[in-house]
Amino acid sequence: TQLLEQSPQFLSIQEGENLTVYCNSSSIFSSLQWYRQEPGEGPVLLVTVVTGGEVKKLKRLTFQFGDARKDSSLHITAAQTGDTGLYLCAGASGEGGSEKLVFGKGTKLTVNP
Amino acid sequence: DVKVTQSSRYLVKRTGEKVFLECVQDMDHENMFWYRQDPGLGLRLIYFSYDVKMKEKGDIPEGYSVSREKKERFSLILESASTNQTSMYLCASRPRGGIAREQYFGPGTRLTVT
Repeated sequence: TQLLEQSPQFLSIQEGENLTVYCNSSSIFSSLQWYRQEPGEGPVLLVTVVTGGEVKKLKRLTFQFGDARKDSSLHITAAQTGDTGLYLCAGASGEGGSEKLVFGKGTKLTVNP
Repeated sequence: DVKVTQSSRYLVKRTGEKVFLECVQDMDHENMFWYRQDPGLGLRLIYFSYDVKMKEKGDIPEGYSVSREKKERFSLILESASTNQTSMYLCASRPRGGIAREQYFGPGTRLTVT
């Protein structure tokens, strides 16, 4: 069974601080997505990474896929209150054309003013 | 933009009732998914469908069934609702194939069974 472990589970920081959240597995994924979910809403796709070592930037957010395609990180620079939410990583295994994703349990980020 | 809509944002039902949750997507996606999300447990896949009238069980199908009569619509059915089915239900869709496999989610239905 493939698992994605996210850490930390909870993170509370002040506006302007930097932070990194992690998504780790012992399994190899063909691609990995990051989603943000606000309270009472569905997850919204932020980015997809598909190549080992790939780095993608989305304004103040930097996403990295590990060289071995087993892990990923999300770094936020100068966090803002609008970054508050649940950050989920999800991996596609690529096995047998499966359409299913493996989801981590998420990192709940609170950015305080 | 991909649009996935769910029939209700909030629903309160009684134990034993039959409950229908509807999901509609407007992007002609082949694949559709139903998840439930609970604190500490994350998203768990209930059922998914890769084509009209086709379905596959996910990780927690017990107590649920699904229906996909049209490509754009995927229904989740709770045959006899129980209190342990109180949860946030999320529908998602995506096109067939591709490496990335991003899913597009609806806003969710928060179901309370009393």
